[in-house]
Amino acid sequence: NAGVTQTPKFRVLKTGQSMTLLCAQDMNHEYMYWYRQDPGMGLRLIHYSVGEGTTAKGEVPDGYNVSRLKKQNFLLGLESAAPSQTSVYFCASSWDSTTEQYFGPGTRLTVT
Amino acid sequence: GESVGLHLPTLSVQEGDNSIINCAYSNSASDYFIWYKQESGKGPQFIIDIRSNMDKRQGQRVTVLLNKTVKHLSLQIAATQPGDSAVYFCAEKDSRYNFNKFYFGSGTKLNVKP
Repeated sequence: NAGVTQTPKFRVLKTGQSMTLLCAQDMNHEYMYWYRQDPGMGLRLIHYSVGEGTTAKGEVPDGYNVSRLKKQNFLLGLESAAPSQTSVYFCASSWDSTTEQYFGPGTRLTVT
Repeated sequence: GESVGLHLPTLSVQEGDNSIINCAYSNSASDYFIWYKQESGKGPQFIIDIRSNMDKRQGQRVTVLLNKTVKHLSLQIAATQPGDSAVYFCAEKDSRYNFNKFYFGSGTKLNVKP
């Protein structure tokens, strides 16, 4: 099993550009999450999904959109990137609401 | 979880010594806790978890202690090795939430000197 994979690993965007980050998991997990990690801060939840076709907002959803068209994939979109979105983005998945989350390797995004 | 600003606290230990990493959590209703290890440039990796009906849990070379009275969690690593060098952070959850919402601490950097 590859676990949780993320593409791309690195990306540099100019302010106003758009992009999509892809997360894939091969563990048949129902729940998937997108987090951002900023220096000196804990992981903050952007959006999450409790199953195929469902999405919900986390603590810092503004400026991001998500889609879960297939159970194994969770996409994070930035429609108009801003420098404040410079961060490392992590995707995670879990079986359900009671178990630990498995994380991907991260995507380092820089917005200039 | 703890909030420590821009600079992570650092713990430096000699190879072979035991390490103790601490975490103060904020929500007295939290009932599930996890310790994660994050190596540079990688995603967080699950180490060990504990539920609030326990005060101690042991894994391979690691022990987690939970003190609910003072809302404190610790991770003990026995015979620390260079491969243990990483950032360690705790995560807490209140199981009344049904979407698996964790609060993550910012972490402690462990440096193991050979």
